[in-house]
Amino acid sequence: AQTVTQSQPEMSVQEAETVTLSCTYDTSENNYYLFWYKQPPSRQMILVIRQEAYKQQNATENRFSVNFQKAAKSFSLKISDSQLGDTAMYFCAFMKLRGSQGNLIFGKGTKLSVKP
Amino acid sequence: NAGVTQTPKFQVLKTGQSMTLQCAQDMNHEYMSWYRQDPGMGLRLIHYSVGAGITDQGEVPNGYNVSRSTTEDFPLRLLSAAPSQTSVYFCASSWRNYNEQFFGPGTRLTVL
Repeated sequence: AQTVTQSQPEMSVQEAETVTLSCTYDTSENNYYLFWYKQPPSRQMILVIRQEAYKQQNATENRFSVNFQKAAKSFSLKISDSQLGDTAMYFCAFMKLRGSQGNLIFGKGTKLSVKP
Repeated sequence: NAGVTQTPKFQVLKTGQSMTLQCAQDMNHEYMSWYRQDPGMGLRLIHYSVGAGITDQGEVPNGYNVSRSTTEDFPLRLLSAAPSQTSVYFCASSWRNYNEQFFGPGTRLTVL
C-alpha cells in the first residue's frame, strides 16, 4: 500500500521569505503522479502543483516549485516570496496510475503560517 | 460553470439518523469521489465512481452508500449516523481518472 508522510505538522515563515515543505512517500509503483494541494481557512481544496513521475524536470508554477527526487521518494514544495495569502494547510498527495482508478492518497498536512 | 457544488454546508445529526450529502458537477466529468477529512488525518477516500452506473469502495467505506445514476450527481448516504462519522466531507470530480481533481467546498457534519 502507498503511504504519504509529511513530517512537519506546522511551519511559519516571514512574508517575502522562502519556505520548503517536506513530503516523502512509499510505493513500489514506477508510474504515478504527485500533487500539492492548498487548503486555506475557507476550507476549499486548491491544486497548487502537479508532478508526473516519468518527468525528470521539476514542476514550477509561478512562486511554487517542487524538488522531486524519485529514487529517494521525496517531493518537497518550495514557496518563494511568501505572501500572507499563502497561509493555509498544505497537503501532499499521491496517485498511482495502475489500477487505482485515479484515487488520491493524502498526507496529514502541514499548517503554514506567513507572518507580516 | 458552478464547478463542484455540495449541499448542505453544515449539518447536525443525532446518532441513528440517516441523511444524504449531495454533490453535483456541471463540467461533464466522468470521475467523482467522496473524501472525509478528520483532524490530523488528511483526506481519506470513502467511495468513488468512474462513470454513471459504476461505483466502488475506497479506504473507509463502512457506514456509507453511494449511487451514480447520472454523470452530474454523486450523492453520499449515511445509513445510520454514528459519532465517528463527525467529519468534513469533500466531493471531487475530474474529466478522467487521472486528471486534476476539482473539489467542492465541503460539508461539515456533526453527529451527536
